[in-house]
Amino acid sequence: DAKTTQPTSMDCAEGRAANLPCNHSTISGNEYVYWYRQIHSQGPQYIIHGLKNNETNEMASLIITEDRKSSTLILPHATLRDTAVYYCIVTSQGNLIFGKGTKLSVKP
Amino acid sequence: DAGVIQSPRHEVTEMGQEVTLRCKPISGHNSLFWYRQTMMRGLELLIYFNNNVPIDDSGMPEDRFSAKMPNASFSTLKIQPSEPRDSAVYFCASSPATGEETQYFGPGTRLLVL
Repeated sequence: DAKTTQPTSMDCAEGRAANLPCNHSTISGNEYVYWYRQIHSQGPQYIIHGLKNNETNEMASLIITEDRKSSTLILPHATLRDTAVYYCIVTSQGNLIFGKGTKLSVKP
Repeated sequence: DAGVIQSPRHEVTEMGQEVTLRCKPISGHNSLFWYRQTMMRGLELLIYFNNNVPIDDSGMPEDRFSAKMPNASFSTLKIQPSEPRDSAVYFCASSPATGEETQYFGPGTRLLVL
């Protein structure tokens, strides 16, 4: 599975959009980009995934660049409850390999 | 839907004791995963099952760890004998199908081995 690179931490003001970047320059054609998050003391939670098209669901939007080497997770209106560690994972094998993720702090 | 259920939620035991962690996956899901999370190593996959059969146990740290899935609605992760370095949060997750990376995680079992 391709390796991903994410910033260690980010801050976001409550009510503003949170844009979390992820680099995956070695991604191969059959690998998906998955995003999970882990709120303190809870199990990881699936957010969204995509192959090459942009995706949107009730939680977030996923923007994948045309060359697929990077992506951005967008939380359109961040709330305090969105404070969590966000993991970007690239995989085609059915297994999730979690890196260190980005610790997002949403501040009032 | 109750989601993935794990028990116990917290376990404190002494070194050398046997520990059994339990997991009930979401009904209808065919794959089940066991993970361990520590501050040092992050979240690691230990083993996963598909249709109750162990597919990949390469993440199991050593022979003291064993996992079983006797039926589609129940799995156990056993540590015998336990050691202080086994202290961690153990998560169980299930997914609808093989190769389906949308996994649904349980709340975890926080294990402390003294």
